[in-house]
Amino acid sequence: NAGVTQTPKFQVLKTGQSMTLQCAQDMNHEYMSWYRQDPGMGLRLIHYSVGAGITDQGEVPNGYNVSRSTTEDFPLRLLSAAPSQTSVYFCASSSDVGGRGQGVRRTEAFFGQGTRLTVV
Amino acid sequence: KNQVEQSPQSLIILEGKNCTLQCNYTVSPFSNLRWYKQDTGRGPVSLTIMTFSENTKSNGRYTATLDADTKQSSLHITASQLSDSASYICVDPGKGGGYQKVTFGIGTKLQVIP
Repeated sequence: NAGVTQTPKFQVLKTGQSMTLQCAQDMNHEYMSWYRQDPGMGLRLIHYSVGAGITDQGEVPNGYNVSRSTTEDFPLRLLSAAPSQTSVYFCASSSDVGGRGQGVRRTEAFFGQGTRLTVV
Repeated sequence: KNQVEQSPQSLIILEGKNCTLQCNYTVSPFSNLRWYKQDTGRGPVSLTIMTFSENTKSNGRYTATLDADTKQSSLHITASQLSDSASYICVDPGKGGGYQKVTFGIGTKLQVIP
């Protein structure tokens, strides 16, 4: 069971270049998110999706685009890389469990291995 | 914005010893609080979830507690092992537990030495 798979694991970009970070999950989760992790700070939400075709901005969305054409994939695009986007990026997915008589609750977030991005 | 503050920032303990990590939160409305473990170079992995009605929950050698009156949660690690070396992150998933307004603590970096 692969879970959440991110590619690439490492990437170096020059300022102004664009690239796409890939994220795929095989758990049929409806919720997917992108985070960045910087030293001395907690993970911060960039964008999230509650299902195919639906995305919304998180806490730090500027400079990033996302799309969700399928349940499995949630790519993150850097339009014009800047040194401030040097960070470790994590993709995560989660789902709702439970139902009638039990109450619905959200599962924990399942994270990918991360992509370490350096913009020079 | 909800706040999640963790202490200490870092901790070094001898293998076999116990330790307790703290999380102070100002979460409103409270849905649940989660603890994650993050090994170096890897993504966080969920350890436990604390709901409002739960005071204590265990996951192997990890025991989480929640005091809703003081808005504090703690993670107690018993008989530490070298593999416990990691960052431990306290997380408020946000309203309804949905992660759309998630707040992550900075984490406590634990190092277990032989």
